[in-house]
Amino acid sequence: KNEVEQSPQNLTAQEGEFITINCSYSVGISALHWLQQHPGGGIVSLFMLSSGKKKHGRLIATINIQEKHSSLHITASHPRDSAVYICAVSAGGTSYGKLTFGQGTILTVHP
Amino acid sequence: DTGVSQDPRHKITKRGQNVTFRCDPISEHNRLYWYRQTLGQGPEFLTYFQNEAQLEKSRLLSDRFSAERPKGSFSTLEIQRTEQGDSAMYLCASSPNGGAQETQYFGPGTRLLVL
Repeated sequence: KNEVEQSPQNLTAQEGEFITINCSYSVGISALHWLQQHPGGGIVSLFMLSSGKKKHGRLIATINIQEKHSSLHITASHPRDSAVYICAVSAGGTSYGKLTFGQGTILTVHP
Repeated sequence: DTGVSQDPRHKITKRGQNVTFRCDPISEHNRLYWYRQTLGQGPEFLTYFQNEAQLEKSRLLSDRFSAERPKGSFSTLEIQRTEQGDSAMYLCASSPNGGAQETQYFGPGTRLLVL
């Protein structure tokens, strides 16, 4: 079992729909990151969370430390949101900073 | 553009050849990471540097792989005697000091194809 699991692996939506991507992890963490990867490879950091909830535009990220679970929500989805969304965790201890990644969720939003 | 650059962006090589990739992090960032991503998977950690010191290497990094960060600025990742299994996207990221709660800034990646 991977240390970071995402669901679903693939997600198709119509423009305007509310989207949720889930991430569960099995290790102790210092922070959880949500990343976006467009075709061609470049990765952009969307959020870094250690507790609670963060919002940026139409994106909302939440984390429940006790349940070891995080969600990324996209409100009023748009075709330009089509990308791979990756959850990653940074552990504490001597390996602090290095990221362990989920396998990614491929999101396609149709007009 | 995150401010992290990688060169080359694409590399096609024949099995058995050596290849070298370069990463230029954001200039004031002390921490530099290398990750590898195969098709359809999330990235995997390879190694990281704090300034010029290489602090950790993954078991994925066989002895055919070597990484350096001379003077704590740019970094190079060399793969000797490439194998088809080395085909992947090689990603570099940097952060200010390597704290567990720091955002990492990723480069565009170098896509390697070994024929």
